[in-house]
Amino acid sequence: AQSVTQLGSHVSVSEGALVLLRCNYSSSVPPYLFWYVQYPNQGLQLLLKYTTGATLVKGINGFEAEFKKSETSFHLTKPSAHMSDAAEYFCAVSAIRTGANNLFFGTGTRLTVIP
Amino acid sequence: GAGVSQSPSNKVTEKGKDVELRCDPISGHTALYWYRQSLGQGLEFLIYFQGNSAPDKSGLPSDRFSAERTGGSVSTLTIQRTQQEDSAVYLCASSFGAGTSSTDTQYFGPGTRLTVL
Repeated sequence: AQSVTQLGSHVSVSEGALVLLRCNYSSSVPPYLFWYVQYPNQGLQLLLKYTTGATLVKGINGFEAEFKKSETSFHLTKPSAHMSDAAEYFCAVSAIRTGANNLFFGTGTRLTVIP
Repeated sequence: GAGVSQSPSNKVTEKGKDVELRCDPISGHTALYWYRQSLGQGLEFLIYFQGNSAPDKSGLPSDRFSAERTGGSVSTLTIQRTQQEDSAVYLCASSFGAGTSSTDTQYFGPGTRLTVL
């Protein structure tokens, strides 16, 4: 079975500070992992994804995430927060390797950026 | 080009009524997904369509929920005899294929907010 856990439903950082959003996964097969962002009243937008290959994945808007198998983690980071980063962030794992195609999402982390 | 569109954006209904939610995927996308986003439950997978194959209904929470996809394009999610616990945002997504290549990213619509009184 696949699942993800996002630690911290709310995270606040100062503008210019490091952003770190935590995600741990559980998967019975090698996982495919995703981070999505949801701005107010908008749909989900893909930030980045890990399938195979390089474990450090770079995404849009300066975000990146590192797949660490030993820690079953896929934390999202950005060196310097911007006001426009305020949104809700979802980590997800794909069931693709089990033959299904749906995503299993975490409960989300709401990021607040303090000016 | 246009993204995934959903209608209505908001729907308020009374307990026991049936509702239909519509999703227009991105043109040319063969895969279509429905998810539900509710407080305390996060985002839950409901159903998945891929081309002309039988849909994956494994996420539907009860037999009151059904979905169809006509002509491999537009999809309708139907909830019969709505209950208050059905209140949520229903999200639709589509992808060009159904794997993990760059063309298979799931693109989400803005959702339909359903409120059951």
